[in-house]
Amino acid sequence: GQQLNQSPQSMFIQEGEDVSMNCTSSSIFNTWLWYKQDPGEGPVLLIALYKAGELTSNGRLTAQFGITRKDSFLNISASIPSDVGIYFCAGPYSGSRLTFGEGTQLTVNP
Amino acid sequence: DGGITQSPKYLFRKEGQNVTLSCEQNLNHDAMYWYRQDPGQGLRLIYYSQIVNDFQKGDIAEGYSVSREKKESFPLTVTSAQKNPTAFYLCASSNGGGSGELFFGEGSRLTVL
Repeated sequence: GQQLNQSPQSMFIQEGEDVSMNCTSSSIFNTWLWYKQDPGEGPVLLIALYKAGELTSNGRLTAQFGITRKDSFLNISASIPSDVGIYFCAGPYSGSRLTFGEGTQLTVNP
Repeated sequence: DGGITQSPKYLFRKEGQNVTLSCEQNLNHDAMYWYRQDPGQGLRLIYYSQIVNDFQKGDIAEGYSVSREKKESFPLTVTSAQKNPTAFYLCASSNGGGSGELFFGEGSRLTVL
């Protein structure tokens, strides 16, 4: 299936720091989705992006749809311990199928 | 409340045994999906179904089987032919629209002893 390259693979930060992660694709996407997975749970949708150049916020989270339509960025400001988890980018290909990045494991030290 | 329910949460099986994971949704979604998650890897698509009585293989369908007899239900059978069945399995559904937004269940962790 379609490959998404997500980086970094893991991050260890102190509470209060800002976080940035990104996702790139070799193909153009019309939608970018960002999910968060808490330990032992299913992923939950954080932000959906539908237009190149779009910048969308959800509380302390901000995501951007790259202008080339081949990348997306997720930023978390002023991190807190409950931000711990795995963050996935995803994009649709081949009809209703989604492809996922490999995830960014975030650890927040109090 | 509307959502997706997976059961069991944890399952242990012996080698050579088939096991069926349940997935039920009351979101009235047409499309349902099964993903496999291994440590350090993203989600890999096993099977998906866009409508009742129809389903398609995903990227890693070998050793798995599914059925879609009802809109609400999409059970996954992990057969003895699956070489490395120990994993976290996630079921998801969507309304089938072009946005691709998926809603996930809480997952089932299968361990083969």
